[in-house]
Amino acid sequence: IAGITQAPTSQILAAGRRMTLRCTQDMRHNAMYWYRQDLGLGLRLIHYSNTAGTTGKGEVPDGYSVSRANTDDFPLTLASAVPSQTSVYFCASSRGQGNGYTFGSGTRLTVV
Amino acid sequence: EDQVTQSPEALRLQEGESSSLNCSYTVSGLRGLFWYRQDPGKGPEFLFTLYSAGEEKEKERLKATLTKKESFLHITAPKPEDSATYLCAVQWLTGGGNKLTFGTGTQLKVEL
Repeated sequence: IAGITQAPTSQILAAGRRMTLRCTQDMRHNAMYWYRQDLGLGLRLIHYSNTAGTTGKGEVPDGYSVSRANTDDFPLTLASAVPSQTSVYFCASSRGQGNGYTFGSGTRLTVV
Repeated sequence: EDQVTQSPEALRLQEGESSSLNCSYTVSGLRGLFWYRQDPGKGPEFLFTLYSAGEEKEKERLKATLTKKESFLHITAPKPEDSATYLCAVQWLTGGGNKLTFGTGTQLKVEL
């Protein structure tokens, strides 16, 4: 089934640890995104990539990094996790600007 | 400042009781307005894209409309399976390129 696969589905992480959230899509979409969703704040863009080999900062990029080595994969790394990074993280992709986004099922991350 | 505002925050309907959800926006340079459905524990699911005032889109019991300042998601004769959180997102042109901003959603509960 075409779509986006995120892993892990949930994780409890000790503060200060490094963590990579994985995201893979099989739709050959050019653009990919990472969002975090927090109660009362909605979805906020962390980082994006318009095409393989390029990345950009979103609304809340501090503490996160991304890479886009190929079209299909877009991992999100927390270099040193802090409790404020407790959230649900969604990866999304689209064919390009003006097109609807396809979202993964999310990773629920708790930093303690 | 809030650029995308959804109302109401929560709505409870009886099965068959039609209603509308509102998404108002204050951005200029609208490139597109998107509606998504999100079920608990899942990622948002794309419903519609509207590009210009006066445009309408329909899907089963849902109909989305767009004016210059707001969009409505009309739900006709809803069923319990329509219960979900409905998100709108506005794509708009900034000095740094296109930006997509999400509202915080309307949580819909349809009861028998």
